[in-house]
Amino acid sequence: AQKITQTQPGMFVQEKEAVTLDCTYDTSDPSYGLFWYKQPSSGEMIFLIYQGSYDQQNATEGRYSLNFQKARKSANLVISASQLGDSAMYFCAMRESGYNFNKFYFGSGTKLNVKP
Amino acid sequence: SQTIHQWPATLVQPVGSPLSLECTVEGTSNPNLYWYRQAAGRGLQLLFYSIGIDQISSEVPQNLSASRPQDRQFILSSKKLLLSDSGFYLCAWTTYGTAYSGNTIYFGEGSWLTVV
Repeated sequence: AQKITQTQPGMFVQEKEAVTLDCTYDTSDPSYGLFWYKQPSSGEMIFLIYQGSYDQQNATEGRYSLNFQKARKSANLVISASQLGDSAMYFCAMRESGYNFNKFYFGSGTKLNVKP
Repeated sequence: SQTIHQWPATLVQPVGSPLSLECTVEGTSNPNLYWYRQAAGRGLQLLFYSIGIDQISSEVPQNLSASRPQDRQFILSSKKLLLSDSGFYLCAWTTYGTAYSGNTIYFGEGSWLTVV
């Protein structure tokens, strides 16, 4: 089974509006970390935000927030007030504990296009 | 501060030729090191990861190999490239830590490989 599932291959959003990028994960570990990365067309991977499995509150970093619903195993990224520079590929990732704690699992990504 | 360097940035290689991609990390000791491949418009596929010198784990059986001759050096190789080896290769590192510690994974600039 897929560890990380991103069901939206592509998304469009109007500039200055908010957008939610979906991510669901699959793990039986009680201890894990969830991450979001941005990949512009240049190819570099930029870390955006992190959520730990024991964190009680949703993580926020500037215009980015992570809507963490543990029971549903979802970790959606919310970008508020979208900007043209937000157009990029976005990846959700998970790091498990236990035997696999050295691995980062990535989803297939969501390509976000911000329209002026 | 920690930095990661990866080279070459781009290369075009004929089918059957050898490959060597190199990655070095500065400013940290005993990092976990990773090689990922990203096919055009797709997600990240974990190829190899290493928790120490000469300790390599392979995720996908293929004609690629990895080596870690020094603590902060990670090399991806192939003796004979296939057309299907074309893609974007990313080296990455992270520190040892629990899955929920928030230690993110940091990526190099990537190497675009085209096999012709």
